[in-house]
Amino acid sequence: AQTVTQSQPEMSVQEAETVTLSCTYDTSESDYYLFWYKQPPSRQMILVIRQEAYKQQNATENRFSVNFQKAAKSFSLKISDSQLGDAAMYFCAYRSNFGNEKLTFGTGTRLTIIP
Amino acid sequence: GAGVSQSPRYKVTKRGQDVALRCDPISGHVSLYWYRQALGQGPEFLTYFNYEAQQDKSGLPNDRFSAERPEGSISTLTIQRTEQRDSAMYRCASSLDGTGGTDTQYFGPGTRLTVL
Repeated sequence: AQTVTQSQPEMSVQEAETVTLSCTYDTSESDYYLFWYKQPPSRQMILVIRQEAYKQQNATENRFSVNFQKAAKSFSLKISDSQLGDAAMYFCAYRSNFGNEKLTFGTGTRLTIIP
Repeated sequence: GAGVSQSPRYKVTKRGQDVALRCDPISGHVSLYWYRQALGQGPEFLTYFNYEAQQDKSGLPNDRFSAERPEGSISTLTIQRTEQRDSAMYRCASSLDGTGGTDTQYFGPGTRLTVL
């Protein structure tokens, strides 16, 4: 079974600075997908970014980018120019490409933005 | 609809009662998923459907939990004889076509269940 580990329960960053959230995962599969979801105080679950394992190029979405290290099974999220609206819980998630459609989530990192 | 909707948003019930949680996916979405999220944890998979067929129910914790999607659209998650340990946020998600690995799952606002 796949597992996802987020070793940073809490992180904080000054507004306008850059922060990196860590995620590692364990799998024996070679083809899979990785996601970062954001959960603001409203408790919605919002997709931030996704990465296909077969792609070597790191995904980017505006101020959000990932550092995907397949051999190390690492998938970190970098948030540049942090804004107050980025304050949220961030969850890393794994999805197999072999039949099982479920997402497996980590335990989350709570990000605080310091004005 | 504009997004995934769930009802009720909050449900308080007494131990031993049955509850039914409803999910209305995004129109046209083939796949529908149920997750449960305890406080301070990430969501955990319960079950999922493609159209009306339940493809995987391996995450349902015991036989008190069941789900259906009879017409391939709205889904109901039913918990019988609720227990305090069932208290959690129950989340529904849908995706356009669950067979694609990059297919995004869009989440609803969740139903917060409290069992007294």
